[in-house]
Amino acid sequence: NAGVTQTPKFQVLKTGQSMTLQCAQDMNHEYMSWYRQDPGMGLRLIHYSVGAGITDQGEVPNGYNVSRSTTEDFPLRLLSAAPSQTSVYFCASSYGGQGNEKLFFGSGTQLSVL
Amino acid sequence: AQSVTQLDSHVSVSEGTPVLLRCNYSSSYSPSLFWYVQHPNKGLQLLLKYTSAATLVKGINGFEAEFKKSETSFHLTKPSAHMSDAAEYFCVVSERKTSYDKVIFGPGTSLSVIP
Repeated sequence: NAGVTQTPKFQVLKTGQSMTLQCAQDMNHEYMSWYRQDPGMGLRLIHYSVGAGITDQGEVPNGYNVSRSTTEDFPLRLLSAAPSQTSVYFCASSYGGQGNEKLFFGSGTQLSVL
Repeated sequence: AQSVTQLDSHVSVSEGTPVLLRCNYSSSYSPSLFWYVQHPNKGLQLLLKYTSAATLVKGINGFEAEFKKSETSFHLTKPSAHMSDAAEYFCVVSERKTSYDKVIFGPGTSLSVIP
């Protein structure tokens, strides 16, 4: 049982480059979300989804796009990378479309933007 | 709007002494509340959650938390700290927004345990 799988684990980008962080879960979870973790700021919600075709913005959505074409996948796109997007990114999922269930986290992606 | 405040960015306790990590929240509705722990270079793990049942919630590894609506607090406690408890702890609130839930993390409290 793989759980939540994030790729890549590490990535270095130059300012202005674009890339997609991949997230996949095999638990048939409806709820999926992306967070970024920065020192002293905890995890901040970027975007979330309560099911295929449904997404919504979190606290810090600017500079990021998401889509949810299938239940399993929830990719996060950086359109034009900036140094301020240097962070550790976590994907999470939970059962059902509700946020009151336990979140299952991926192992994280450490992104550096030069 | 919902928000989560963790009153201490860092807490240091001696091994065998009690642990208290404080959390206050603001929410327009009846929220669900959680505590997660993140050990160094590891992923996040759920310690416990409150979803409008008993106000005193017991979690894993001897941790518990009490929901106090009048104080809008959800403090995490443990009677006796162990070295393995050293980690980052996050208080989390989940609130219904229209027909969806939004999950927000607090900034975290780093717990150090002194031998």
